[in-house]
Amino acid sequence: GENVEQHPSTLSVQEGDSAVIKCTYSDSASNYFPWYKQELGKGPQLIIDIRSNVGEKKDQRIAVTLNKTAKHFSLHITETQPEDSAVYFCAASYNFNKFYFGSGTKLNVKP
Amino acid sequence: NAGVTQTPKFQVLKTGQSMTLQCAQDMNHNSMYWYRQDPGMGLRLIYYSASEGTTDKGEVPNGYNVSRLNKREFSLRLESAAPSQTSVYFCASSERGVGGGNEQFFGPGTRLTVL
Repeated sequence: GENVEQHPSTLSVQEGDSAVIKCTYSDSASNYFPWYKQELGKGPQLIIDIRSNVGEKKDQRIAVTLNKTAKHFSLHITETQPEDSAVYFCAASYNFNKFYFGSGTKLNVKP
Repeated sequence: NAGVTQTPKFQVLKTGQSMTLQCAQDMNHNSMYWYRQDPGMGLRLIYYSASEGTTDKGEVPNGYNVSRLNKREFSLRLESAAPSQTSVYFCASSERGVGGGNEQFFGPGTRLTVL
């Protein structure tokens, strides 16, 4: 099956700085890559996703890049704010059936 | 519009006891999922249901059974609970979007402890 690795496990940045979280996947058939944000005591919430026919996608302060050849994808958050502090998960899926998640990155944005 | 609801929120079981976790969604989604979340391991798929009447095993199905009762409801059953099943359980539902994505909506979770 698919194996998704996520780094770093914790990330601390100063407010206003950028944050980058990286994931690699093992199954070249995976074609959908969502990113989720999980706040304490809540379920994960989708923040951005990308399909394998696209190399980059941006939504305001967040962006995701995908390198199919190297089988890795990254989440970029610019101008970080304290409310961005949460745990972020990447995931990979083939045709939206099984989803495989990374182990999570705890982001701490210091005011 | 409540989204995805799960009951109960918390549960403590003794080893060997059985229980059913309930999940319901009101978004008319075809696909539903059950995950478990353990510290440092992200979410792992237990079972999923691509449509009413179908269920398939995920990454960690052993010790669990599921029922897709109708389009709205997807339940997870532990027949004989073990301490290794102590975890937070999340239900999710999704539908393929116009843009080709597949946003999963998650419930608030059930925190289960097995003693």
